[in-house]
Amino acid sequence: NAGVMQNPRHLVRRRGQEARLRCSPVKGHSHVYWYRQLPEEGLKFMVYLQKENIIDESGMPKERFSAEFPKEGPSILRIQQVVRGDSAAYFCASSVLAGNTGELFFGEGSRLTVL
Amino acid sequence: GNSVTQMEGPVTLSEEAFLTINCTYTATGYPSLFWYVQYPGEGLQLLLKATKADDKGSNKGFEATYRKETTSFHLEKGSVQVSDSAVYFCARTMMYSGGGADGLTFGKGTHLIIQP
Repeated sequence: NAGVMQNPRHLVRRRGQEARLRCSPVKGHSHVYWYRQLPEEGLKFMVYLQKENIIDESGMPKERFSAEFPKEGPSILRIQQVVRGDSAAYFCASSVLAGNTGELFFGEGSRLTVL
Repeated sequence: GNSVTQMEGPVTLSEEAFLTINCTYTATGYPSLFWYVQYPGEGLQLLLKATKADDKGSNKGFEATYRKETTSFHLEKGSVQVSDSAVYFCARTMMYSGGGADGLTFGKGTHLIIQP
């Protein structure tokens, strides 16, 4: 009865490299959310996806960041040409309902460090 | 818009003290309100929720009441324990101009430290 699984838990990249973060939602959940947590800034919404669709990407930086949730397989958050400011914890959450009264189930996060 | 404001930490209390962490939200739409807790090195876990005005959410001795008139959802506990040390996030459902509500908007979090 697995919860939200994220990997890798820790990722180190040099400036200019690519980072790929994976998220497998709770079985049966079709809604996936990505959040970024920076020190002193709390948890910031990035993107909301359903299978094969981006519903809301208003929190995603316009450049270098992309997300997908394919029909098969995990959701992927991709950061191209990483910079030091991308260092943060990235959390994935899933839900079975579309918000309002639906609870979000969070993974343990992927901590990205950019050298 | 969608925003949540909660008191800044860290909040340091002695064991068995009374806890209040203030949270206010923007009154757009009819949001559901949540408190999540994050223990060190872990993801967020739902602590309690309330879906309409005057509802009280409760769990593990924590309580919060949805106050529409003051747009507040303050978290309280009568007697805290060392194991309650964590970061607490207040959240509301996001609202869109096109209707529907998906995802959550979080406050910045309040770091609670309970000393023996």
